[in-house]
Amino acid sequence: DAKTTQPNSMESNEEEPVHLPCNHSTISGTDYIHWYRQLPSQGPEYVIHGLTSNVNNRMASLAIAEDRKSSTLILHRATLRDAAVYYCILTGDAGNNRKLIWGLGTSLAVNP
Amino acid sequence: EAGVTQSPTHLIKTRGQQATLRCSPISGHTSVYWYQQALGLGLQFLLWYDEGEERNRGNFPPRFSGRQFPNYSSELNVNALELEDSALYLCASRPGTASYEQYFGPGTRLTVT
Repeated sequence: DAKTTQPNSMESNEEEPVHLPCNHSTISGTDYIHWYRQLPSQGPEYVIHGLTSNVNNRMASLAIAEDRKSSTLILHRATLRDAAVYYCILTGDAGNNRKLIWGLGTSLAVNP
Repeated sequence: EAGVTQSPTHLIKTRGQQATLRCSPISGHTSVYWYQQALGLGLQFLLWYDEGEERNRGNFPPRFSGRQFPNYSSELNVNALELEDSALYLCASRPGTASYEQYFGPGTRLTVT
């Protein structure tokens, strides 16, 4: 199963953009890139996912490299509520019963 | 719409005992996942149930087992508890295999003494 590599921690200032990187050099052609985040004392929550094209939703944007070996989660204007652990994971297509591998994620601190 | 619920919130057991954790998915969701999140470790996939059947299993010993009921709620059983089983156990549900998003519950904190 393909794995992802993320920095252990990052820091940002409130209202500034944040770019959270993820490397997945062994990604296969059918793997989707998912991002979840986990706020303190809560279960993870879905942020965004994509396959090949860049994606935008109300929470964030996902930029996927052309070779798909890396991706970047973009928070356009960080708020204090965005302080969380961000997980980048790879999954098979929705109908595939792949085992989901979660790393330690990136702990994002947001300074007021 | 009610989210994923888990019970109990906290559970304290002694080594060798059995623990039963429960999960109620969001209404209409047929898939349920179980994860273990030990201190200092990322989420470790435990089990996946869909439509009442076990679809996949993570690298855990057989003393970790579970089931999914006809109403799609699920139960995780851990037999012969060991100290290293102490962790946060998270349940997530998904509308079905055609959907990508998983919705997580708040977790059950299991402490084994």
